[in-house]
Amino acid sequence: GAVVSQHPSRVICKSGTSVKIECRSLDFQATTMFWYRQFPKKSLMLMATSNEGSKATYEQGVEKDKFLINHASLTLSTLTVTSAHPEDSSFYICSASLAGGTGELFFGEGSRLTVL
Amino acid sequence: AQSVTQLGSHVSVSEGALVLLRCNYSSSVPPYLFWYVQYPNQGLQLLLKYTSAATLVKGINGFEAEFKKSETSFHLTKPSAHMSDAAEYFCAVSEASGTYKYIFGTGTRLKVLA
Repeated sequence: GAVVSQHPSRVICKSGTSVKIECRSLDFQATTMFWYRQFPKKSLMLMATSNEGSKATYEQGVEKDKFLINHASLTLSTLTVTSAHPEDSSFYICSASLAGGTGELFFGEGSRLTVL
Repeated sequence: AQSVTQLGSHVSVSEGALVLLRCNYSSSVPPYLFWYVQYPNQGLQLLLKYTSAATLVKGINGFEAEFKKSETSFHLTKPSAHMSDAAEYFCAVSEASGTYKYIFGTGTRLKVLA
């Protein structure tokens, strides 16, 4: 149980276009999901906390207009990178928590974005 | 504020040797502590977690970690390394209040030599 799936796993886009990444909890309801960004050979940086039915909470330094997060249902959160530029190229990972759980997060497989 | 320090960005061990990956944390409240493993181009897989129960925690794939409050440490060990253990390992801390907001260490890349 507690499987989180991301789609797409890899995406290549042209500079200036927008890209949407989906994060789904497959066998549980996730009221809260988290989006991380991982730079090459670096740790995971928390970008934002996504709450179902409300606005996402962004970490300091993360542009909310650049990285649009929507959590419209208890099983789906989306991250849209708007007007993507090469510096947005990165590995994006989502995670979700089980309600009433013991603090454990379940992570998706990650999505590698390459902006040309 | 919480923080996590992983000493050694790269660790190399021989196959069959002891694996020791270090993690120290700082937290003003009782922490939850986690070790995750990441294989190339994949997400994170939970190895083990400490959530204020037993201080010696056993995880998957033969890994274990001991929570030492006096040393603010949560080092990861495995008695005998296997080639398949080669990966990136992350230590993470979150508040025990259940916020699920993790702070990750910078990661340690484990290399296993034949």
